Amino acid sequence: GDSVTQMEGPVTLSEEAFLTINCTYTATGYPSLFWYVQYPGEGLQLLLKATKADDKGSNKGFEATYRKETTSFHLEKGSVQVSDSAVYFCALSDRISGGYNKLIFGAGTRLAVHP
Amino acid sequence: GAGVSQTPSNKVTEKGKYVELRCDPISGHTALYWYRQSLGQGPEFLIYFQGTGAADDSGLPNDRFFAVRPEGSVSTLKIQRTERGDSAVYLCASSPSGAYNEQFFGPGTRLTVL
Repeated sequence: GDSVTQMEGPVTLSEEAFLTINCTYTATGYPSLFWYVQYPGEGLQLLLKATKADDKGSNKGFEATYRKETTSFHLEKGSVQVSDSAVYFCALSDRISGGYNKLIFGAGTRLAVHP
Repeated sequence: GAGVSQTPSNKVTEKGKYVELRCDPISGHTALYWYRQSLGQGPEFLIYFQGTGAADDSGLPNDRFFAVRPEGSVSTLKIQRTERGDSAVYLCASSPSGAYNEQFFGPGTRLTVL
């Protein structure tokens, strides 16, 4: 079945460092891809998405490019801040699921940014 | 405006008891989802409602789990004969419609079965 694999955490970085969180997926159809973020004490929030190959999603300085050839959707940010400390989840929704977003999530990667 | 709310925020129960978890979606959202998040894992899909009907309940783990949405708004997830393995955070999300729109998640209910 469909699945998402993301790098294990925690990832610990200094402020202004470059961030990459790897995400790869397996899907039988043509999935849409998402990154969700969970800040401490808050609910899951959509960070960015991409719906087809070569699309780039971006938000709040974060970017991810849908790479069909490598089945990847790696999250990047050029300069992280302490406020970016959170758990990041990669997810997919396979379009054959019937016109709605049945999300399949990775296990999550905890990011800790220190001053 | 108000987001998705879930009650209670925490529920502690004993093995074998019955529990109900409530979800209040964003007003006007017709699509509603339930997910379960075990410790250290990502959320896992349980069930999807479009309006009042459960369009996809393929993620419910067994027949002890049941969910309803009688008026197409509030939803209740019901777990009978709880087991320790049911301990998790239960998340609810709503969306303006079923067609690939963003899901807005609630804060979750943390269920602990002793």
